Amino acid sequence: RKEVEQDPGPFNVPEGATVAFNCTYSNSASQSFFWYRQDCRKEPKLLMSVYSSGNEDGRFTAQLNRASQYISLLIRDSKLSDSATYLCVWRSSGSARQLTFGSGTQLTVLP
Amino acid sequence: SQTIHQWPATLVQPVGSPLSLECTVEGTSNPNLYWYRQAAGRGLQLLFYSVGIGQISSEVPQNLSASRPQDRQFILSSKKLLLSDSGFYLCAWSDSVLAVRSGANVLTFGAGSRLTVL
Repeated sequence: RKEVEQDPGPFNVPEGATVAFNCTYSNSASQSFFWYRQDCRKEPKLLMSVYSSGNEDGRFTAQLNRASQYISLLIRDSKLSDSATYLCVWRSSGSARQLTFGSGTQLTVLP
Repeated sequence: SQTIHQWPATLVQPVGSPLSLECTVEGTSNPNLYWYRQAAGRGLQLLFYSVGIGQISSEVPQNLSASRPQDRQFILSSKKLLLSDSGFYLCAWSDSVLAVRSGANVLTFGAGSRLTVL
């Protein structure tokens, strides 16, 4: 089993739609979780961290389910500018190298 | 504020030629530094990371090497490129203090270097 598995997508949604991505992880020792966004041919950029109690940043909501070992990202009221690839990332404790990236979920918001 | 610079942005190299990609970070001290590669349509693969000058950890065996001659400088090299070395190379840094204390290790990436080996 891969360390991180993401919905492969692509997701094509109309403007204004709500869309959710899931990401499962296999290492129960994982400590920190993040969502990164990557625009076409650009570097990934941190979108938001994922906290145990769940957290919201505007139209974006991130949730963590440790029992089932998955994280999710919900985007409400999708904008054209939300079109990108979304990478889930997790970190286990204790070492500098430990960020593991999912392969990404591609989202296209259509007018 | 911290900034990360990476160059060149794009390069096309023949098979068997050498490679040198450079990355520098400003506005921080003793960062953790990383080199990742992203092949077309695939996820990020960690190649090397460094927690200090001269300290390099290699994640995958291949014909690439990395060096950290200064605290905020990280270089990715190859003596002879292969076709399979084509990809998008990303340098990144994280705060080593945060990494140890809080468990959070947020990576900030450079703009990337797109390498095509012909």
